[in-house]
Amino acid sequence: AQSVTQPDIHITVSEGASLELRCNYSYGATPYLFWYVQSPGQGLQLLLKYFSGDTLVQGIKGFEAEFKRSQSSFNLRKPSVHWSDAAEYFCAVGDPSSGGGADGLTFGKGTHLIIQP
Amino acid sequence: DADVTQTPRNRITKTGKRIMLECSQTKGHDRMYWYRQDPGLGLQLIYYSFDVKDINKGEISDGYSVSRQAQAKFSLSLESAIPNQTALYFCATSATGYGYTFGSGTRLTVV
Repeated sequence: AQSVTQPDIHITVSEGASLELRCNYSYGATPYLFWYVQSPGQGLQLLLKYFSGDTLVQGIKGFEAEFKRSQSSFNLRKPSVHWSDAAEYFCAVGDPSSGGGADGLTFGKGTHLIIQP
Repeated sequence: DADVTQTPRNRITKTGKRIMLECSQTKGHDRMYWYRQDPGLGLQLIYYSFDVKDINKGEISDGYSVSRQAQAKFSLSLESAIPNQTALYFCATSATGYGYTFGSGTRLTVV
C-alpha cells in the first residue's frame, strides 16, 4: 500500500524568507505526486503536480517542487514567502496504473505553515 | 459559481439522525469522491464513483452510504449519525491527467 509522510506538523517562517516543506512517499514505482494548499475555512487547491518528465515542477503562487526518485521525496519550495501563504499544505500520491489516482489519492497528514512578520 | 459545490456548508445534527450531504459539479468530470478530514489526520477516502453505475468503497466507508444521481451529483449519507463522525467532509472530482478539484467542504457536528 502506498503511504505519504510529511515529517513536519508545524513550520514557522519569517515573511520574505525561503520555504521548504518535506514530503516522502512509499510506493513500488513512481507515483503521481501532488501538492495542495488549504487556507482556513476553504477547500483544497492544487498547487502543482508531477506525472513524469522534468523533475522540477513549477506551480501556482510561486511554488515549485522537486521529485527525487533516489530519496522518494517530493519537497515543496518557495524562495520568498508572503503572509498570505499561511495555510495547511498537503502532499498526495496517486497510483499511475489507475489513471493517476482514479481510485483515490493518498494524502499526508499535512504541514501547518505559520508566517512571522 | 464554484466548480464543485457542497451543501450545506455547516450542519449540526443529533446522534442517531440521518443526514445527507450533497455535492454537485460543473467540471464535466466522470470521477467523484467523498473525503473526510480530521485534525492531524489528513484526508481519508470514504467513497468514490466513476459513473452513476460504478460506486466503490474507500478506506473508511463503514457508517456511510452514497448515491450518484447523475454525472454531476454525488451525495453522502450518514444513516445514523454518531459523534465520532464529526469532521470536515470534502467532495472532489477528477479526470485523467488532472489533479482533483475540491469543494469548499461541509463541517458536520454530531451532538
